Amino acid sequence: QKEVEQDPGPLSVPEGAIVSLNCTYSNSAFQYFMWYRQYSRKGPELLMYTYSSGNKEDGRFTAQVDKSSKYISLFIRDSQPSDSATYLCAMSARLTGGGNKLTFGTGTQLKVEL
Amino acid sequence: NAGVMQNPRHLVRRRGQEARLRCSPMKGHSHVYWYRQLPEEGLKFMVYLQKENIIDESGMPKERFSAEFPKEGPSILRIQQVVRGDSAAYFCASSPPSGSGDTQYFGPGTRLTVL
Repeated sequence: QKEVEQDPGPLSVPEGAIVSLNCTYSNSAFQYFMWYRQYSRKGPELLMYTYSSGNKEDGRFTAQVDKSSKYISLFIRDSQPSDSATYLCAMSARLTGGGNKLTFGTGTQLKVEL
Repeated sequence: NAGVMQNPRHLVRRRGQEARLRCSPMKGHSHVYWYRQLPEEGLKFMVYLQKENIIDESGMPKERFSAEFPKEGPSILRIQQVVRGDSAAYFCASSPPSGSGDTQYFGPGTRLTVL
């Protein structure tokens, strides 16, 4: 079983739709939870960063963490064609010598159609 | 404030050659991480470095791969005697010193193709 599971999609939605992206995890040591957006042949871009259960909102994006269920979500409101990308969930655990190792889901490919 | 810089962006090597990938962290960042993204797979942690120190290399293959982050200059990921299975995108990420946040910011990646 992978430490982080993410549905690869592809997910296709009409412009203006609400998008829900999800990840589950199995490692209780994960402390921080992130969502990255990756456009084709580009580096991952940090979208959201949370460390506690609950919701965090930033513009059209809402990140939700449920540590008891080991489940995280990203909601995108009023989706735009420019949101078309691969969305990666990532979870952070402390390394023995300091720093944080990120464990990524495989990514969900999203396409927002006009 | 320039972001994380990586070069080259694309690198082609023949089997048996050496590949050197460079990463310059964001200004003020002293922690560097390397990740590898194989086709159809997620990013996998390879190594974590601070200036002149390898802190954790638990994700590095045991042979042919090495990394350094010298006092001056960029971090280098070195792959000796490359094989076709090394073809992947290699990403570098940097973060500020501990206590200033744990977020990692990624560079644009180096896409290595081994012929």
